[in-house]
Amino acid sequence: DIQMTQSPSSVSASVGDRVTITCQASQDILNSLNWYQQKPGKAPKLLIYDTSNLDTGVPSKFSGSGSGTYFTFTITGLQPEDVATYYCQQYDSFSGTFGPGTKVDIK
Amino acid sequence: EVQLVQSGAEVKKPGESLKISCKGSGYSFTTYWIGWVRQKPGRGLEWMGIIYGGDSDTRYDPSFQGQVTISADKSINTAYLHWSSLKASDTAMYYCARRSTMMGGFDLWGQGAMVIVSS
Repeated sequence: DIQMTQSPSSVSASVGDRVTITCQASQDILNSLNWYQQKPGKAPKLLIYDTSNLDTGVPSKFSGSGSGTYFTFTITGLQPEDVATYYCQQYDSFSGTFGPGTKVDIK
Repeated sequence: EVQLVQSGAEVKKPGESLKISCKGSGYSFTTYWIGWVRQKPGRGLEWMGIIYGGDSDTRYDPSFQGQVTISADKSINTAYLHWSSLKASDTAMYYCARRSTMMGGFDLWGQGAMVIVSS
């Protein structure tokens, strides 16, 4: 099974800051990595698919990069509405493991 | 409107059976996968399994294989998650979500169904 780790587990930043989250896979997953945002009491929302592609309607302040086993997700210009937990997810034909999540809030 | 609508919250006793549903509308059900994701209270997301709407090809995460059954009825654009014997540890929010064949992300989510298992 492919295992996913994320760091940090939580981050507190100021409005306007740049926030970066990392995600590591236990084996090479090429670019099969997605990022989701989940606000309290809500269903998750897909932000980025296949490492770096923004889903429809997702603002460009969100970005992703990486390949193989190491990936990063960045929020450029943190706003109060970005307070949420962010999850990475690897996928292949048979699985779709999520990372443990990173909680982002405002300092 | 493109949406997934899930059945409502359930309160059940240990040992009881349960089937929850996820109905797709506004898109071609038979050309997408539907996945199920568990979220225990205060915890992260867990990928349970996925079913293809066209032919019901199903894949399970090893942690959930044998614990639940995923099925679908394409005639009514609905996917299901079934337990034959619930445990207290099944208490969680369950989401269904759509995954395309072109990319692996879940791009459309149901509203979630809370399942509480308590004696």
